[in-house]
Amino acid sequence: GDSVTQMEGPVTLSEEAFLTINCTYTATGYPSLFWYVQYPGEGLQLLLKATKADDKGSNKGFEATYRKETTSFHLEKGSVQVSDSAVYFCARLKAAGNKLTFGGGTRVLVKP
Amino acid sequence: ETGVTQSPTHLIKTRGQQVTLRCSSQSGHNTVSWYQQALGQGPQFIFQYYREEENGRGNFPPRFSGLQFPNYSSELNVNALELDDSALYLCASSLESLTMGEQYFGPGTRLTVT
Repeated sequence: GDSVTQMEGPVTLSEEAFLTINCTYTATGYPSLFWYVQYPGEGLQLLLKATKADDKGSNKGFEATYRKETTSFHLEKGSVQVSDSAVYFCARLKAAGNKLTFGGGTRVLVKP
Repeated sequence: ETGVTQSPTHLIKTRGQQVTLRCSSQSGHNTVSWYQQALGQGPQFIFQYYREEENGRGNFPPRFSGLQFPNYSSELNVNALELDDSALYLCASSLESLTMGEQYFGPGTRLTVT
């Protein structure tokens, strides 16, 4: 079935460090891929998305590239800030589907 | 433009009771999806409503039911509550079912079943 696997956290970084969160997905169909972010006490917010192979989504300094050959959609940011501390969720949407499937989430803690 | 709102914020119920959670979708959005997020896990899709009709359902038993009203607000009802139903319940709205990925989430309702 459809599934998304993320690296487990927590990930603890210093400010200005490079962040990578790994995400892989099952290759059934031609899914769209997403990263959502959940700040403490808030709901999920869409961070970025990619709808087909080789697409790159980007927003707020974060980037992720849809890699069909490795079924991956890793999230990266070159220089994190304390305000990036949150839980990040990778998700997939089956083509012509109506259900988002989420990974388990990765908690990121950025220390000053 | 108001965002997605949910009520109540927190709720404590006893096993076997019934609960109703409410969601007001973002202005102009006609699709509402409900998710259950257990502590430390990713959200799990419960079901979706599109123009007042159920439009897909996840792997949840029939005691989880829902409604969508003409103004596109929605309710999630859970009967015969079990301890494992304790979770954060998220509502998300979007404009059309085909753009479901671009969903706007509410802050959630934290349900505790004792």
